[in-house]
Amino acid sequence: DVKVTQSSRYLVKRTGEKVFLECVQDMDHENMFWYRQDPGLGLRLIYFSYDVKMKEKGDIPEGYSVSREKKERFSLILESASTNQTSMYLCASSTGGGNYGYTFGSGTRLTVV
Amino acid sequence: DQQVKQNSPSLSVQEGRISILNCDYTNSMFDYFLWYKKYPAEGPTFLISISSIKDKNEDGRFTVFLNKSAKHLSLHIVPSQPGDSAVYFCAASAGTYKYIFGTGTRLKVLA
Repeated sequence: DVKVTQSSRYLVKRTGEKVFLECVQDMDHENMFWYRQDPGLGLRLIYFSYDVKMKEKGDIPEGYSVSREKKERFSLILESASTNQTSMYLCASSTGGGNYGYTFGSGTRLTVV
Repeated sequence: DQQVKQNSPSLSVQEGRISILNCDYTNSMFDYFLWYKKYPAEGPTFLISISSIKDKNEDGRFTVFLNKSAKHLSLHIVPSQPGDSAVYFCAASAGTYKYIFGTGTRLKVLA
């Protein structure tokens, strides 16, 4: 069964900490994405990557960075965590063009205190 | 500017009846649309898709309708079951691998 695996289901971090969220896919997908989900705001794209070492900003990149050193792994980095980054973070991957949807991971619920 | 809108944040339906979830979009370049279902503490899972060259796609109890002139799509679930209770997201793409998601509609199917 194909999978997108997010390393943590729940995380609690302190304000100002540097936070790493890891995502691994086993489908050899070219494209990987990081979204956050907040009530009433839906899924908002933070960053995406269409190839190793390539990245593009999504709609809300401020306060975040990403790393894609290997095709299967896409990391989201919160440089200095703040309380407004408390959210559900979802990683997804896809292949090809627009006719292919995403496969999502199970999500990481991050709480910044 | 929200390009994909789900104007109903929640919907309650009796078991066995039809559930209709709506989605509006503003970008006429969108050519592929998806519906995802999300349970709490889980990632969204793909439900059904439709290309802009079609106006209907059916998969079991789930049917998606696309009205391009109105820039509107809808998801019909017949008959609705308690296990269908979840948040439903529509998403749209303009010929790329990047999808824009709506804000979601929480469906509650009452037994």
